[in-house]
Amino acid sequence: GNSVTQMEGPVTLSEEAFLTINCTYTATGYPSLFWYVQYPGEGLQLLLKATKADDKGSNKGFEATYRKETTSFHLEKGSVQVSDSAVYFCALSGGNQFYFGTGTSLTVIP
Amino acid sequence: GAGVSQTPSNKVTEKGKYVELRCDPISGHTALYWYRQSLGQGPEFLIYFQGTGAADDSGLPNDRFFAVRPEGSVSTLKIQRTERGDSAVYLCASSQTDYTYNEQFFGPGTRLTVL
Repeated sequence: GNSVTQMEGPVTLSEEAFLTINCTYTATGYPSLFWYVQYPGEGLQLLLKATKADDKGSNKGFEATYRKETTSFHLEKGSVQVSDSAVYFCALSGGNQFYFGTGTSLTVIP
Repeated sequence: GAGVSQTPSNKVTEKGKYVELRCDPISGHTALYWYRQSLGQGPEFLIYFQGTGAADDSGLPNDRFFAVRPEGSVSTLKIQRTERGDSAVYLCASSQTDYTYNEQFFGPGTRLTVL
C-alpha cells in the first residue's frame, strides 16, 4: 500500500541555520510527491511538488528531490527564517488519495 | 470563490447529536476530497468525489459518516450519533481533476468538538 514516514519533531533552529526534514515513502505505481506547509492559524498550502523520479521541486528557498532509488523526498532549506516557523507535511498522491505524514513542527528562533 | 471555504469554522455538539459540515470548493474544480486531522497527526483521507458521485469512500470510518455532493459543487459531510472520538478538524480540498500530479487546494477546516 501507500504510506509516508516523516521525521518526527519538533525541530528548533536558529535563524540562518540549515534545515533538513526527512521523508520516505512506500508506494505502488508512480506517485507524485508533495510538501505542504501549515502556518499558525492557517490552512494547509502547497509548498512544492515533484511528479516523477529525479524531479526537483523548489519554492521560497525550499527544495526537495524525488529519489526513487531511496524512496525519499527530503525537504531542505539553506538558511531558515523566523517566518518559516510552521508545520510541514510530506504527502504522496496515489490513486485518488493523498497520503500524509504526521507533520514536523519547525520553530525558528532569532 | 477565491479559495475553498468551509462552514462552520467551529462546531461544538453533544454526544449523540447529528452534525453537517459544508465545503464550497474552488469554482470549476471537479474533484473534491474530505480529510480528518486529529491533533498531532497528518490529514487522513475520508472520501473523494469526482463530479457528483463518490468515487472512493474507503476512508469513512463507519456508517455514521456520509457525504454528498448533489450538484457537483458544494459538498456536505454528515455525521450521525456523534461520539467523542469524532472530535477533530475536518478538512475539505478540491483540485481541477483527479490526476495524481494535481495539487489539492485545502480549506481552513471545521473544528468539531463532541462533548
